[in-house]
Amino acid sequence: EDQVTQSPEALRLQEGESSSLNCSYTVSGLRGLFWYRQDPGKGPEFLFTLYSAGEEKEKERLKATLTKKESFLHITAPKPEDSATYLCAVQAGYALNFGKGTSLLVTP
Amino acid sequence: ETGVTQSPTHLIKTRGQQVTLRCSSQSGHNTVSWYQQALGQGPQFIFQYYREEENGRGNFPPRFSGLQFPNYSSELNVNALELDDSALYLCASKPGDNTEAFFGQGTRLTVV
Repeated sequence: EDQVTQSPEALRLQEGESSSLNCSYTVSGLRGLFWYRQDPGKGPEFLFTLYSAGEEKEKERLKATLTKKESFLHITAPKPEDSATYLCAVQAGYALNFGKGTSLLVTP
Repeated sequence: ETGVTQSPTHLIKTRGQQVTLRCSSQSGHNTVSWYQQALGQGPQFIFQYYREEENGRGNFPPRFSGLQFPNYSSELNVNALELDDSALYLCASKPGDNTEAFFGQGTRLTVV
């Protein structure tokens, strides 16, 4: 059975303090690993898709990387507007299988 | 280009009632999927429609059903509502199979 585990569950950073979020997964036949950002009461906003181990993608202060067993979302010099829940999902069949997310709070 | 839109945004229903949620997919997207997100949890896959046919279903009972129309918009129907059905219901559309899904803002359903 596909499993996605995200850690930590919650993370509090000071503005400018870089860190990484982890997504560990077990899946048969990975078709893609996806990162989303979700603000309270809103739908998830697409960030990145990674397809194979060794792949990296960047967008502004965010960088996503993928290995055969986990993915990292690195946040460099975060700002308060980066505060949100970050969701990781894997696709094996038709469905996206999501983790519970990491709730990130960035304080000024 | 408009994104994925869902209606209504909020809904309150009584246990045992039926509800229909609606979703307009993003232009050019022929695949629509529905997810249920309980508070503090990640979204859970309900089912997916491709060109008006259901082609994937998660671990949800038959009282969760859906439709996709020729313009690729979609409905989610839930019969015999239970208190545990209270959640954020998310619709997502995508232009192909191995591509990213784009989500709507969700419908917050409360069952009392």
